[in-house]
Amino acid sequence: AQSVTQLDSQVPVFEEAPVELRCNYSSSVSVYLFWYVQYPNQGLQLLLKYLSGSTLVKGINGFEAEFNKSQTSFHLRKPSVHISDTAEYFCAVDQNQGGKLIFGQGTELSVKP
Amino acid sequence: DTGVSQDPRHKITKRGQNVTFRCDPISEHNRLYWYRQTLGQGPEFLTYFQNEAQLEKSRLLSDRFSAERPKGSFSTLEIQRTEQGDSAMYLCASSTRETLGSYEQYFGPGTRLTVT
Repeated sequence: AQSVTQLDSQVPVFEEAPVELRCNYSSSVSVYLFWYVQYPNQGLQLLLKYLSGSTLVKGINGFEAEFNKSQTSFHLRKPSVHISDTAEYFCAVDQNQGGKLIFGQGTELSVKP
Repeated sequence: DTGVSQDPRHKITKRGQNVTFRCDPISEHNRLYWYRQTLGQGPEFLTYFQNEAQLEKSRLLSDRFSAERPKGSFSTLEIQRTEQGDSAMYLCASSTRETLGSYEQYFGPGTRLTVT
């Protein structure tokens, strides 16, 4: 069965420091990969997506992610975080081109001054 | 276009009561999805529609749950005989086919259900 593992449930970091949120997935077929952000009491907002092509994907708010097929990973990075980046981040896969998304359990990013 | 909307935003109900949630997708989006999210967890897929056809249902969707999208526009999710374990955030998303065959899902703000 397809699954998504976010390796860190909580990531505390100081403002202006770099951050990496890790995501591994299991699938025997090609997948589309996504990172979403969720602010308190809100729905999910798409940060970035990997469909094909370049393995380095740039998204909104200065985030980027790198697809590594051999490692089945899709880690999210930002070189310098802001207080406003404090939120829950979810990695998700779609192996059926438009069907359901399978989400990881989320990583709570907490940016401290 | 105001995005995906859900109504109500919050619902408190007593165990055993029936509840119904509504989702209005982005105009022209032919796919509509329902997910459930419990505290500290990622969203879990419940079901999705293409136009008015329900294409997939999760095993999580017991026979107390029913979803409809009668005219291929808005959708309703009904939970009969609610249980405390049904307390969760219910998220709706919609999508349409984009480049490379992907379907980017746009999420609504969710309906938070509390069963007392």
